[in-house]
Amino acid sequence: KAGVTQTPRYLIKTRGQQVTLSCSPISGHRSVSWYQQTPGQGLQFLFEYFSETQRNKGNFPGRFSGRQFSNSRSEMNVSTLELGDSALYLCASSFSTENTGELFFGEGSRLTVL
Amino acid sequence: KNEVEQSPQNLTAQEGEFITINCSYSVGISALHWLQQHPGGGIVSLFMLSSGKKKHGRLIATINIQEKHSSLHITASHPRDSAVYICAVNGMDSNYQLIWGAGTKLIIKP
Repeated sequence: KAGVTQTPRYLIKTRGQQVTLSCSPISGHRSVSWYQQTPGQGLQFLFEYFSETQRNKGNFPGRFSGRQFSNSRSEMNVSTLELGDSALYLCASSFSTENTGELFFGEGSRLTVL
Repeated sequence: KNEVEQSPQNLTAQEGEFITINCSYSVGISALHWLQQHPGGGIVSLFMLSSGKKKHGRLIATINIQEKHSSLHITASHPRDSAVYICAVNGMDSNYQLIWGAGTKLIIKP
């Protein structure tokens, strides 16, 4: 069974640009959640999607958005990039239909903003 | 004060030692997760538990709901156990959103 796949793995952008990250969950998993990890802040929850609906949202500005498609693949978008957006962005999928469930993480997308 | 506190922040031990990492939380939870992150970023779920004790190989996780405390134990530690261990809880008051601890960086020396 393939694991959670995140693309791209690494990317470099400049301030003001926008970026789209993709996450393909494990087959059969309908919940996808996104996290930002920075050295100073640790892991911070961005949002969680279940069956194409945003079920939970973290405390991030509106520049951060996401969506989920009918095949459960999810994308997150960050517009008007700032230097502080440089981070490792992780997604996780879960089989559980409840809000709790074992999480399976991708390897992450490492974004550098110059 | 953070809702999920881990201790110690850093831990260095010799190969073979028995390791304990602690996690205390201050919110009502439906489940607690222990995860492992190796250098490079990948995170692996080790345990999800809501009561009692779970064991997988050399790893044991326990939780005391009344005391709002969980421990992760590693028996016969090995250098390959070196990683960051993270505790996270599904908070009932936050729509079960995961609340993360800051992590414990473990180094096992040969």
